[in-house]
Amino acid sequence: GENVEQHPSTLSVQEGDSAVIKCTYSDSASNYFPWYKQELGKRPQLIIDIRSNVGEKKDQRIAVTLNKTAKHFSLHITETQPEDSAVYFCAALGTGQFYFGTGTSLTVIP
Amino acid sequence: GAVVSQHPSWVICKSGTSVKIECRSLDFQATTMFWYRQFPKQSLMLMATSNEGSKATYEQGVEKDKFLINHASLTLSTLTVTSAHPEDSSFYICSASDTGGGQPQHFGDGTRLSIL
Repeated sequence: GENVEQHPSTLSVQEGDSAVIKCTYSDSASNYFPWYKQELGKRPQLIIDIRSNVGEKKDQRIAVTLNKTAKHFSLHITETQPEDSAVYFCAALGTGQFYFGTGTSLTVIP
Repeated sequence: GAVVSQHPSWVICKSGTSVKIECRSLDFQATTMFWYRQFPKQSLMLMATSNEGSKATYEQGVEKDKFLINHASLTLSTLTVTSAHPEDSSFYICSASDTGGGQPQHFGDGTRLSIL
């Protein structure tokens, strides 16, 4: 099955700086890669996703890049704000099932 | 649109009790729903894939007799934790997609299960 690895596990940045979270996957058949933001005790919220036929996607301060050859994809958050503080999970859609990364706890320091 | 409702949000019960958690797709039909378990500060671990009208597909290491899944209709899947013990205490969360390709997944609010 799919194996998704995520780094770093914790990340602290100053407000206004950029944050980058990276994930790798193992199944070359995976074709959909969402990123979720989860606040404590709440449901994961989809923040951006990318499909395998696209290399980059941007939505305001959030962007995702995908390198299919290297099997890795990254989340980029620019101009970070305190409300960006949360746990972020990457995921990969393998053969009909989603597999999640281990999560990154992002803290934005005011 | 694409709302997934999960009930109850929090359960506290005694050891040995069986607990049923419901996952409903409110405004779409879902032939497939997923059940996850999440321990504090950890990732979502897929437990099983719930298939409408057929048996659930369990991930390796998940006891099917312990975690009973029933997907009786296109809008409802239930997870029953049978004879729950303290080690079953966790955050259980379901998801479903309003598209046939599974993209994107919409999550329920989760159920915090505490077994005393």
